[in-house]
Amino acid sequence: GAVVSQHPSRVICKSGTSVKIECRSLDFQATTMFWYRQFPKQSLMLMATSNEGSKATYEQGVEKDKFLINHASLTLSTLTVTSAHPEDSSFYICSATPGPRDYEQYFGPGTRLTVT
Amino acid sequence: AQKVTQAQTEISVVEKEDVTLDCVYETRDTTYYLFWYKQPPSGELVFLIRRNSFDEQNEISGRYSWNFQKSTSSFNFTITASQVVDSAVYFCALSEEGNNRLAFGKGNQVVVIP
Repeated sequence: GAVVSQHPSRVICKSGTSVKIECRSLDFQATTMFWYRQFPKQSLMLMATSNEGSKATYEQGVEKDKFLINHASLTLSTLTVTSAHPEDSSFYICSATPGPRDYEQYFGPGTRLTVT
Repeated sequence: AQKVTQAQTEISVVEKEDVTLDCVYETRDTTYYLFWYKQPPSGELVFLIRRNSFDEQNEISGRYSWNFQKSTSSFNFTITASQVVDSAVYFCALSEEGNNRLAFGKGNQVVVIP
């Protein structure tokens, strides 16, 4: 149980285009989902926290107009990288928790974004 | 603010040697949770352990063991008799009571040489 999927696993896009990444909890309802970014040989950095039906809370320094997060249902959150540039190339990982007091985060397999 | 420090960046060991990864954390909360994750080259994070701040018992799971010491704010991880499959990046992480946000350390790259 507690499986989280991400789609796509890899994506290459041209500079200036937008890319949408989906994060789904397959066998549980996720009231909270998190989005992380990981640059090569670096740690995971939390980008934003999203609760179903409400606006995402972004970490300091993360542009909310560039990284649009939608958590429209209890099993799906999407991250859209708008007007992507090469510096947005990174590994994006989502995680999900079943409830507000559940401290276990279940991680997706990640999406590798390359912007050319 | 929560903070996790993993001082060693890359550690190389010969197969069958033991390796210990240090994790030191900072938090103002009395209730918090500590985690270790493994990230193999594929990139997917693999959950290894969660420990809450009220449970200082050490834990052993196969070749893995963890030493939690609140007095030194440390949660160290030991791999006994390392194997090539243990080659990965290992992350220590912390979350505080009432706040699901995970703070990750910088990670330890473990390379097991056959």
